[in-house]
Amino acid sequence: NAGVMQNPRHLVRRRGQEARLRCSPMKGHSHVYWYRQLPEEGLKFMVYLQKENIIDESGMPKERFSAEFPKEGPSILRIQQVVRGDSAAYFCASSPLVGLNEKLFFGSGTQLSVL
Amino acid sequence: GIQVEQSPPDLILQEGANSTLRCNFSDSVNNLQWFHQNPWGQLINLFYIPSGTKQNGRLSATTVATERYSLLYISSSQTTDSGVYFCAVEETSGSRLTFGEGTQLTVNP
Repeated sequence: NAGVMQNPRHLVRRRGQEARLRCSPMKGHSHVYWYRQLPEEGLKFMVYLQKENIIDESGMPKERFSAEFPKEGPSILRIQQVVRGDSAAYFCASSPLVGLNEKLFFGSGTQLSVL
Repeated sequence: GIQVEQSPPDLILQEGANSTLRCNFSDSVNNLQWFHQNPWGQLINLFYIPSGTKQNGRLSATTVATERYSLLYISSSQTTDSGVYFCAVEETSGSRLTFGEGTQLTVNP
């Protein structure tokens, strides 16, 4: 039973380009969380999605960032027109149900570097 | 939103020593979890512990929800215990985990 899978592991983009980060949840999980970790800091919540629905996007920057979790396929975190300040590790986690009444397992993260 | 404070921010130990990491939170919680982020960046879930005490090998955790704190105990530390330890909580009105800033643990041989 594979865990949460994220790809790519490392992503390098130049300023102004788009970044697409993918997250495949654990089998049977229909809820996905995205977190961002800036260097030397803790994880900050970005968005919580259920298949085809955004449940809570209160942690997402208002511009350039979007997330989706389609009926089929992985969840995608999209960052348009990247800037150097977007350089960070982006982690996703998945859950089988609403609420977090069990351990939350994270993927290995995507390290985004903006040149 | 809920505030999560961890202490100490940094801790240096010699191999074999014991340590206690603390997590204070500002409001009632449904859920509290402890994570270890290893030097390669991987996040490993150690405990789901909204209340009570749990043990897993050399690690144990206690949460006193009424007093809004949790403790993580590491006994007979090893160099592989090095990394950052995060406490994360879900407030009763929420549906996501809020992380503390972590405790950076370094275990020297």
